[in-house]
Amino acid sequence: EAGVAQSPRYKIIEKRQSVAFWCNPISGHATLYWYQQILGQGPKLLIQFQNNGVVDDSQLPKDRFSAERLKGVDSTLKIQPAKLEDSAVYLCASSLGSGIQETQYFGPGTRLLVL
Amino acid sequence: AQSVTQLDSHVSVSEGTPVLLRCNYSSSYSPSLFWYVQHPNKGLQLLLKYTSAATLVKGINGFEAEFKKSETSFHLTKPSAHMSDAAEYFCVVTAYNFNKFYFGSGTKLNVKP
Repeated sequence: EAGVAQSPRYKIIEKRQSVAFWCNPISGHATLYWYQQILGQGPKLLIQFQNNGVVDDSQLPKDRFSAERLKGVDSTLKIQPAKLEDSAVYLCASSLGSGIQETQYFGPGTRLLVL
Repeated sequence: AQSVTQLDSHVSVSEGTPVLLRCNYSSSYSPSLFWYVQHPNKGLQLLLKYTSAATLVKGINGFEAEFKKSETSFHLTKPSAHMSDAAEYFCVVTAYNFNKFYFGSGTKLNVKP
C-alpha cells in the first residue's frame, strides 16, 4: 500500500515570496491534515479536512496561509507571502476517518527554509 | 483541554540496556494515546496506540507502553535498546472530536555502542 506522498521535499525561498506544497493521501482516506513542525518542537496542526470540507483551521494563519482539498483527494498548502518564521517542516497526514481511535499516517514532509 | 508533557528532551542509553521515555498527559475526556517515532529525514511512524482496551500496549520493534489513569502517564519502554532505535519519539493525545492530535515536544533517544 502506498503511503502519503508529499512534494517537494525541500524548498528554499526568499521572504515575501510565495510557495506551495502538495500532498496525496493514502487511497480511501477521508481525513487529511497539515502540520507545521518547527525545529525542536512537536508538530502543530494547521488544518484538517474531512473529505473536501474544513473541520478545523483554528491555528492556520489565514492572512498568509491557505489550503484546499479539491475533490476530497489531493491537497495543496500555500504560503503567501512567506516570513522568516515560516521556516519549518510541513507534514501531511491522512486517516481513514476522524474517530478518536483513528491512526494518522504521515508523509515524509517538506522542509522549507525562508531566507 | 488536551496537552502532553514529555519529561525528557534527551535520553541517552547504552546498546542492550532498557529504554524509558516518559509522557504525562492532560485530557478532559478518556483519551486515545499514541507514540510515534521520527528518524532523521523520515516521516513519523506509529509505534503503538492506546484506545481504552488493554492498559499495557505492545507496539512494533519491541516497544510497549502502559496507560496509568491514576498517574495520567503513558511511558514508553523497551527492554533492550538497539542502535537502530536512535531517533526522536513523540507522545500524542487526541481530542474527543475530530481526532485532533496534540503532540508533545519530543524526546531524542541516543543509543551508545
